[in-house]
Amino acid sequence: TQLLEQSPQFLSIQEGENLTVYCNSSSVFSSLQWYRQEPGEGPVLLVTVVTGGEVKKLKRLTFQFGDARKDSSLHITAAQPGDTGLYLCAGAKSYGKLTFGQGTILTVHP
Amino acid sequence: ETGVTQTPRHLVMGMTNKKSLKCEQHLGHNAMYWYKQSAKKPLELMFVYNFKEQTENNSVPSRFSPECPNSSHLFLHLHTLQPEDSALYLCASSPPGPQRETQYFGPGTRLLVL
Repeated sequence: TQLLEQSPQFLSIQEGENLTVYCNSSSVFSSLQWYRQEPGEGPVLLVTVVTGGEVKKLKRLTFQFGDARKDSSLHITAAQPGDTGLYLCAGAKSYGKLTFGQGTILTVHP
Repeated sequence: ETGVTQTPRHLVMGMTNKKSLKCEQHLGHNAMYWYKQSAKKPLELMFVYNFKEQTENNSVPSRFSPECPNSSHLFLHLHTLQPEDSALYLCASSPPGPQRETQYFGPGTRLLVL
């Protein structure tokens, strides 16, 4: 079983603070996706990273794929209450099979 | 995002009931998936269908029976479930070609087995 370790599991911060979520594995992935999920809803895709060392920015969110394609990070600058949710990373190793991390529950307090 | 729809959104059933979950995707994708999401556990892949053919059964008990009549519709038939089957059941789809590893999820069906 390929494991994708996501940390931290819980994060509670004040509005305006910065944060980083990590996703680590001993396996190499062909691509890695980040999703955000709100209570009672399905995960919504934020970004897909494919190339080792790739950095993608989505407004205040910065995603990085490790050089060896085994790890990834999500950095949020100046967090807002609307960023609250469950953040999931998922690595793709073969067609149709994603391995998900256990998720990071982020709470941003006003 | 309404590209992938799921019905019902909530379902309560007894252990002797038979029910079905429905998923429909309006994105022109060719692959569809069923996942189970339980508290404090990572999403678990259950089944994968490509062009209506089942290509993955991740050791799922036979009380879960998938059906994919075409590339746009996916069903999960449930019978004689156990209380530990209570979870959020998510459907997803993905396109062919270079984007095939990116999956798009529906809102899920929250299932409670009594």
